[in-house]
Amino acid sequence: KQEVTQIPAALSVPEGENLVLNCSFTDSAIYNLQWFRQDPGKGLTSLLLIQSSQREQTSGRLNASLDKSSGRSTLYIAASQPGDSATYLCAAAGNGGSQGNLIFGKGTKLSVKP
Amino acid sequence: ETGVTQTPRHLVMGMTNKKSLKCEQHLGHNAMYWYKQSAKKPLELMFVYNFKEQTENNSVPSRFSPECPNSSHLFLHLHTLQPEDSALYLCASSQDQHPRDYEQYFGPGTRLTVT
Repeated sequence: KQEVTQIPAALSVPEGENLVLNCSFTDSAIYNLQWFRQDPGKGLTSLLLIQSSQREQTSGRLNASLDKSSGRSTLYIAASQPGDSATYLCAAAGNGGSQGNLIFGKGTKLSVKP
Repeated sequence: ETGVTQTPRHLVMGMTNKKSLKCEQHLGHNAMYWYKQSAKKPLELMFVYNFKEQTENNSVPSRFSPECPNSSHLFLHLHTLQPEDSALYLCASSQDQHPRDYEQYFGPGTRLTVT
């Protein structure tokens, strides 16, 4: 059974810092891995999707990497801004008996201080 | 806006009430999902519909009853809920259920409180 873990659970940084959020998964047989952002009391916004055949994806100041063999993904945020404050969730799409199912981590709550 | 809307945004109901949550997607997708997000727990998949057919029921109690009348609409009918069912209920959609290429797009959620 796939399990997704995110470390740290919470992170507070000053504005302008570069930072890395970590995601690990126990079953490397995944189709893809997605990173989402969730603002308080809101739904999820998809940030990046990395296919299992890819090593990384970039969008603006965000860069996500995937290492299937080690069961890890990282989300790199460059030059952080207060507007980046949110909870970041990673989710692995498995190829077990339930196609399409995303298994989520508990998230990392990021606070960027001005 | 993601193209997925949910109503109501907030709902307070007693344990004997019957209510329904509504989700609508304007993306032309064929797969729709219900998720539950409780405090301090990961998002949990509840149900999946693909082309209006239920393809996943993740051992959800029968007090939650989904309905998918067409590919654009998804309902979650609620009855005799328990206080522990209080959570944020999220709806999502994707082009198809197969995860290989398709991102899931989420609605803003319905914050449910059961008293």
